[in-house]
Amino acid sequence: QVQLVESGGGLVKPGGSLRLSCAASGFTFSDYYMSWIRQAPGKGLEWVSYISSSGSTIYYSDSVKGRFTISRDNAKNSLYLQMNRLRAEDTAVYYCARINYGGNPTHFDYWGQGTLVTVSS
Amino acid sequence: EIVLTQSPATLSLSPGERATLSCRVSQSVSSYLAWYQQKPGQAPRLLIYDTSNRATGIPARFSGSGSGTDFTLTISSLEPEDFAVYYCQQRTNWPPVRFTFGPGTKVDLK
Repeated sequence: QVQLVESGGGLVKPGGSLRLSCAASGFTFSDYYMSWIRQAPGKGLEWVSYISSSGSTIYYSDSVKGRFTISRDNAKNSLYLQMNRLRAEDTAVYYCARINYGGNPTHFDYWGQGTLVTVSS
Repeated sequence: EIVLTQSPATLSLSPGERATLSCRVSQSVSSYLAWYQQKPGQAPRLLIYDTSNRATGIPARFSGSGSGTDFTLTISSLEPEDFAVYYCQQRTNWPPVRFTFGPGTKVDLK
């Protein structure tokens, strides 16, 4: 069965950095586009970033562009999010999500359980 | 920028009742509208994609409809496990790819 397991969250000071990982199993990781989505405490969902199956196409939300970097290692079935210059408003649960199969990404069909990032001094 | 508006913010119903949730998109972009269910402490779960297609394993009591700027999620007869928050989501025409979520509708027990 499809499994997505995030790790790497924690407490970090404003301006600091953190790297999130997502270990994928139960499907052919290299066939799927992937994404990071976050949810601030008590708030709704916010899309963060997207990466194509080969890693050649990447998009970011305006709120993280220039500070976050998404990447993947298909040999290790892993997705990453490098977060730099973190701000208090980046505090959220970060979810790794699989995007529907095929060349037309429209929705997120499987989600991990999330990892909490807290940015506070 | 596409904005998704969901109504009502909260829907108070009893088991067995019908739930009708609305999602309005600020501009007509596509029929790539999806719905997710989220329970407290859990990750969201895909219910409906491309407006009206049920995801794998989703019961038939969940259905989606709509077009243009107005979309609806209907739960025909609420089961106890259906009390949760529901989000709609749409993708912009690409490039660039952007995904936007609505603010959510909470379905709670009356």
